Amino acid sequence: DTGVSQNPRHKITKRGQNVTFRCDPISEHNRLYWYRQTLGQGPEFLTYFQNEAQLEKSRLLSDRFSAERPKGSFSTLEIQRTEQGDSAMYLCASSDYQLAGGLGETQYFGPGTRLLVL
Amino acid sequence: KQEVTQIPAALSVPEGENLVLNCSFTDSAIYNLQWFRQDPGKGLTSLLLIQSSQREQTSGRLNASLDKSSGRSTLYIAASQPGDSATYLCARGAAGNKLTFGGGTRVLVKP
Repeated sequence: DTGVSQNPRHKITKRGQNVTFRCDPISEHNRLYWYRQTLGQGPEFLTYFQNEAQLEKSRLLSDRFSAERPKGSFSTLEIQRTEQGDSAMYLCASSDYQLAGGLGETQYFGPGTRLLVL
Repeated sequence: KQEVTQIPAALSVPEGENLVLNCSFTDSAIYNLQWFRQDPGKGLTSLLLIQSSQREQTSGRLNASLDKSSGRSTLYIAASQPGDSATYLCARGAAGNKLTFGGGTRVLVKP
């Protein structure tokens, strides 16, 4: 168990460019979450997957954002036509959801990808 | 709107003192309440998860309580150490275990 990994760790891009981030969850974790965190704030939920199905998207996730988890393992988050307001830390988390497991399970977070849009 | 609030935003204590961190939430129909630690520039580390049917959870020097009726959770850290310096975040778990976070309390434990 190597934990949740995210790549790249840092990304600097110019406004208008597209960027893609990758998240590799803990193996066999069936749920995967994306959050965004700006400086001095708590993380904000963006979207989550159960296996390959994207079950919920926040209203924060504009049309420029798209996330995939094609085989139910790793996930990618793409931001098209980046804006300066997209600058933030993008966090991925995974968990092992069991139907009979009760109300919630521990989420394990990756180190994040810090995005700076110039 | 479902909100989670943490007050104070920052806290400084001398080593050895007990820490008391507060979290309040507006919707009592929660699934769980979770506490995390975040070191500067890093991801989050889960500390404790309290299911909605539970009143408290303990792990080592950490104890967290949950009072749904008043919409409050408290994290106690006994005998604080400089290594406890970090930002502590509470999060309300909803359907799908989607988390709504508070703004965090930045803790400094002075040697």
